Amino acid sequence: EGQLVESGGGLVQPGGSLRLSCTASGFALDSYWMSWVRQAPGKGLEWVANIKQDESEKYYVDSVKGRFLISRDNAKNSLYLQMNSLRAEDTAVYYCARISYIGGPHLDVWGQGTTVTVSS
Amino acid sequence: DIQMTQSPSSLSASVGDRVTITCRASQSIVFYLNWYQQKPGKAPKLLIYSASNLQSGVPSRFSGSGSGTDFTLTISSLQPEDSATYYCQQSYGDLVWTFGQGTKVEIK
Repeated sequence: EGQLVESGGGLVQPGGSLRLSCTASGFALDSYWMSWVRQAPGKGLEWVANIKQDESEKYYVDSVKGRFLISRDNAKNSLYLQMNSLRAEDTAVYYCARISYIGGPHLDVWGQGTTVTVSS
Repeated sequence: DIQMTQSPSSLSASVGDRVTITCRASQSIVFYLNWYQQKPGKAPKLLIYSASNLQSGVPSRFSGSGSGTDFTLTISSLQPEDSATYYCQQSYGDLVWTFGQGTKVEIK
């Protein structure tokens, strides 16, 4: 079915930058759209960004537009999220997820998450 | 953007009870509605996709229905392992997605 493993989380000061990575195994990353979803402490899920297989289409939630950049390296079976100008409200567990289009788009494989804390 | 409203925000039910969670979209999303289950400290897990399709490996006591703006997740006979938070998510249109705020299900 496949597996996703995130890395790169940590503590960063407000205004700082961080790059998250997500490594896929058990399936060919270049066959799928991919997504990032986050969850602030004690809060619900928030969709962050989607990216097409060839990077020709990218979509973002309004709150991260102009600050976050989703990208991928299919040769390395990896997905990335470059996060700049970080704010306290970006503090969350960040999950990468695979988008399946069988029947209609849905997130069928999830990573375990990586924690980002923005604090001085 | 499409807003998703779940109700109730929490519920408590007994083992064997039938449980229903509803999700309403701010505009028609046809059938592009998915349901996820999340247990504390764990990643979400897909239960139902495209309103009514049961994901492989998910117990048949879970079912989904609805179309347009109103959707329902039903657990036909609640089990102890179903204690979790459940989220709906719309995947309609231009790939700007939203989740509902979640429904926490507790076992009495």
